[in-house]
Amino acid sequence: QPVLTQSSSASASLGSSVKLTCTLSSGHSDYIIAWHQQQPGKAPRYLMNLEGSGTYNKGSGVPDRFAGSSSGADRYLTISNLQSDDEADYYCETWDTNSQVFGGGTKLTVL
Amino acid sequence: EVRLVESGGGLVQPAGSLRLSCAASGFTFNTYAMSWVRQAPGKGLEWVSAIRGSGTSAYYADSVRGRFTISRDNSKNTVYLQMNSLRAEDTAIYYCAKDRGTTVTAVDHWGQGTLVTVSS
Repeated sequence: QPVLTQSSSASASLGSSVKLTCTLSSGHSDYIIAWHQQQPGKAPRYLMNLEGSGTYNKGSGVPDRFAGSSSGADRYLTISNLQSDDEADYYCETWDTNSQVFGGGTKLTVL
Repeated sequence: EVRLVESGGGLVQPAGSLRLSCAASGFTFNTYAMSWVRQAPGKGLEWVSAIRGSGTSAYYADSVRGRFTISRDNSKNTVYLQMNSLRAEDTAIYYCAKDRGTTVTAVDHWGQGTLVTVSS
């Protein structure tokens, strides 16, 4: 079963860009992942699916400021022109034949 | 528009039971797998269970296998989670989620969640 590793926290200034990382465990570097955003006190929101090739497909209404990319076992979420309501927890997710797996989440602070 | 509405959460004593429901709309329900994901207070997301679009196969996290049962009624566009032998560590917000495909894949829509509190 794959394991997803995320940094526990990240911070960036209002109007700048930030790149969050999700790393797939050994033997699972070709897995597709999903990124989800959870603002404080709210349910998670699906952002995008991201393939190992770097191809990504965003959910409905997700702003152009959100983009995905990949390198080996790493999957990235880049948020440009940071806004105050981008301050949230960001989770990556993948799946195997019979289960889903979530990373531990990255808490993004917008300074 | 996809809509997922959970119900059935509440306060239950240890060793008790609870049944969660999730009413779905806005998509062809029997075409997609459905999942339950929970979040304990102050913690991250934890996958709990999933069921295929046809309802023929169900899957569980080790932490709930043998105690929880997922099911679906495709005629009512509803998925259920029967939770038995509840423990304090099952206390969490439980989210209903729609998967991207007919088998277990990633989540692409979330419900608003329902709170389950296990306490005496």
